[in-house]
Amino acid sequence: GEDVEQSLFLSVREGDSSVINCTYTDSSSTYLYWYKQEPGAGLQLLTYIFSNMDMKQDQRLTVLLNKKDKHLSLRIADTQTGDSAIYFCAETDTSGTYKYIFGTGTRLKVLA
Amino acid sequence: NAGVTQTPKFQVLKTGQSMTLQCAQDMNHEYMSWYRQDPGMGLRLIHYSVGAGITDQGEVPNGYNVSRSTTEDFPLRLLSAAPSQTSVYFCASNTFTFGQTNTGELFFGEGSRLTVL
Repeated sequence: GEDVEQSLFLSVREGDSSVINCTYTDSSSTYLYWYKQEPGAGLQLLTYIFSNMDMKQDQRLTVLLNKKDKHLSLRIADTQTGDSAIYFCAETDTSGTYKYIFGTGTRLKVLA
Repeated sequence: NAGVTQTPKFQVLKTGQSMTLQCAQDMNHEYMSWYRQDPGMGLRLIHYSVGAGITDQGEVPNGYNVSRSTTEDFPLRLLSAAPSQTSVYFCASNTFTFGQTNTGELFFGEGSRLTVL
């Protein structure tokens, strides 16, 4: 079945760039997402990319998509302590299954 | 701006007890779903619904029941709680009509933390 994989932890220093990686298996994935979860809260959409795109930039966030390798990455420039959270990669398609598959989440810790 | 509302936020149950986690959304979303979040396992889909009267199983449906009598509400029932159901539960919704104005973003509630002793 479909699977989405992420590394569990990432630690960076404040001001550095963070790169969170994700691999997925479903070749029919149409929409790929990055969600952020702060402590004690639900998930909130951070950014998304359509499968017909290679890159998307949104202020400090850059999403790169390698469809051949089924690899998605999220780069956060100038990482701040407020970026400390769990980041989830997710994918879905428009084929009518209405199923969103989430990764395990990557806990980002930003050191001052 | 209520969005997706889950109740209760915290609950402690004994093994074998039953309970219902409530989820309500005021965005007129057709699609609603329940996930559980466990350490190292991410979010796993329990059940979902694409409209009133329609429900379907997700990845981990055993031990849980759902119903969808209205567009707004999608309760999750645990008929006989087990320690393995200790988790944080999230309800999420969307219109699922993908297109120019809808990216398929899921709107999440704040979660319900359940402990089964």
